[in-house]
Amino acid sequence: QVQLVQSGAEMKKPGSSVKVSCKASGGNINGYVISWVRQAPGQGLEWMGAFIPSLGVANYARDFQGRVTIAADRATVTAYMEIRGLRSEDTAVYYCVRVMGVDGSWFDPWGHGTLVTVSS
Amino acid sequence: EIVLTQSPATLSLSPGERATLSCRASQSVSSYLAWYQQKPGQAPRLLIYDASNRATGIPARFSGSGSGTDFTLTISSLEPEDFAVYYCQQRSNWPPSFTFGPGTKVDIK
Repeated sequence: QVQLVQSGAEMKKPGSSVKVSCKASGGNINGYVISWVRQAPGQGLEWMGAFIPSLGVANYARDFQGRVTIAADRATVTAYMEIRGLRSEDTAVYYCVRVMGVDGSWFDPWGHGTLVTVSS
Repeated sequence: EIVLTQSPATLSLSPGERATLSCRASQSVSSYLAWYQQKPGQAPRLLIYDASNRATGIPARFSGSGSGTDFTLTISSLEPEDFAVYYCQQRSNWPPSFTFGPGTKVDIK
C-alpha cells in the first residue's frame, strides 16, 4: 500500500522560499495526478494545485497562481511544491495527496504533512 | 469556482447517536463529492468517494448519499473514535480543480 513521505518541518523568514518534497513508499505515483493541500493553524483545508503528468503541466488554485510551483520527477518518483515570497500567512501544514478515481475526483492517500513556519 | 457549504458547523452528540452531516455545492458537481475525517494532529482520511462509495477499511456505519448539489454523510451510531472534524471536497473542470467545505466538527455532548 503506497504511503506518501514528505520532507521535514521548515522555519523560514518572510520573503524567502520553501520547497517541500513528497516521495512514494511501497508503491508508485508515476502517472498519477499529485495535488497539494494546506491547512493553516486551526483552519480548514485549502487546495493549492495539482501536477498532471499526462499533460506535463500543473494547474493552480487562483490564490496560488504565480507564487507556487508544483512539479514531479519521474526518475525519483518524487513530487515537489515550492512557494516563493513567503508571508506569515503561509504558516501552515502542507499535505501532498494522490488524486484517485477514473475522473480524478478524490484524494488518497495523504502524506503526513510538513509544517512550514514563516516568522522573522 | 464552486463553493461548498457544510452544516452544521458543530454537531454535539453522544456515543451511539446518529450523526447527519450536510454538504451543499453552489452548482452541480455530479457525483464528484468526497468526505474526509480529520482528528487533531493527523492528516485527513478518506471516508467516502464519488458521493456514496466507502473507502477501503471504512466501517459500514459511515454512509454517503446525494448527487448534484446536496450531499449527506451519515454515521449510523457514533463510536468514541468518530468524534472529529469532517470535510467534504468536490472536483470540477479539466484540468481538475478542487475545493473543500469549511468542515463540521462532531463533538461529544
